[in-house]
Order: sequence, then C-alpha cells, then structure tokens
Amino acid sequence: DVKVTQSSRYLVKRTGEKVFLECVQDMDHENMFWYRQDPGLGLRLIYFSYDVKMKEKGDIPEGYSVSREKKERFSLILESASTNQTSMYLCASSRGLTGSNTEAFFGQGTRLTVV
Amino acid sequence: AQSVTQPDIHITVSEGASLELRCNYSYGATPYLFWYVQSPGQGLQLLLKYFSGDTLVQGIKGFEAEFKRSQSSFNLRKPSVHWSDAAEYFCAVGAGRRALTFGSGTRLQVQP
Repeated sequence: DVKVTQSSRYLVKRTGEKVFLECVQDMDHENMFWYRQDPGLGLRLIYFSYDVKMKEKGDIPEGYSVSREKKERFSLILESASTNQTSMYLCASSRGLTGSNTEAFFGQGTRLTVV
Repeated sequence: AQSVTQPDIHITVSEGASLELRCNYSYGATPYLFWYVQSPGQGLQLLLKYFSGDTLVQGIKGFEAEFKRSQSSFNLRKPSVHWSDAAEYFCAVGAGRRALTFGSGTRLQVQP
C-alpha cells in the first residue's frame, strides 16, 4: 500500500514563526501536493511538485513556499505564520497527472493552529 | 480550468435508507473523476474513480457512482446506509495535467 506520512498530526505555533510541515511518500511517486482544508471550502491546492526541485503554484500560494530536494519528501513552509493560516493541511502524492496515474493518495493531515 | 460543485453541504439519512450525493463538474473534455471519504480527523480515502469505459463504477464499502456526460455529473450512491458511513465526502476532478480539483464536500449524518 502507498503510504504518505506527515510528520505531525497537531501543531501550535505563534504568529510570525517560520513553520515547516513535512511529508514523505514511499511509492516513488512523481507528483506531490499540498492542500489546505477549511470548513465549507473543501480542499484548496497550495502548491504541487512534478519532479525534484520543480514546483508549481496552486490556487492559494500566498504566504507559503515549498521545497522538494528529494523525490520522496515535500515540505510546506509558512514563512511568517499568521492566524489566518490556522487550518488542516493535507499532503498527497500521485504517480502522474494523466489517466489512472492521477489518483491521489493522502496523508493523515496536520492540524495547524497559529496563536 | 476545471471546477467541481457539490450542492449539498449537509445530508441526514436514516440507517438502512438509500443515499445519493450529488457532484457536478465543469470541464471541456472527459475528465477523470473521483469520490473520496474523510472520517473525522483523518486523511482522505478513495472510494471509487472513473477514467473511461463503463459509466457505472463500483467502489469500496458498497458505493457506486454513475458518470453522465450530458449532465456533467458524477453522483455517488449507496442502496442502504450504515451508521459507519457518517463522514464527509468529496468529489474531485482531474484534467489537463493539473492537480485534482475538489468540491467543497458533503457531510453525511446517519440517524439510527
């Protein structure tokens, strides 16, 4: 089974802190994604990566950056955390972006609270 | 760009009753379509998917969905709901070498 592991289930950070959310997948998938989930808004794409060191902005990239130095690891960075970034963050991976490769496999999520 | 609409924010059904969750998408060509389920505090689990071929697809836990091109819909159905089906359900569309786009979700409550 594909496993996508997020390093923390719960995080509490202070306003202005730099925050790192880590995600690792063990199935050699090409693509990795960070989504943010808020009530009534569903999942919104922050960034995705289609190869090592390659990234593409999603729908809500402001206030976030990402890093993919190794194929299996994709990090989400909040440069200066703000209270409006309090949310559930979901990491996912997929083999590709066409056909059956599009299926996304998700981690358990990180619930981030910024105080 | 593709988009997904789930018109029902919250649905309550009685245990043993049938269920239909609605999903409409917007995309010019045939998309890849998915239904995911999320239990409280958990990540998303794939229920079923449609890429091509037979428009009625079967998934896990007794769920099925039907792709209707003329209506741009991919509704999820289950003939008899169990209390353990209470969760949030997300429809998603993949197209054009982009990441999946998700709907806003439907929260299902099951009454005994």
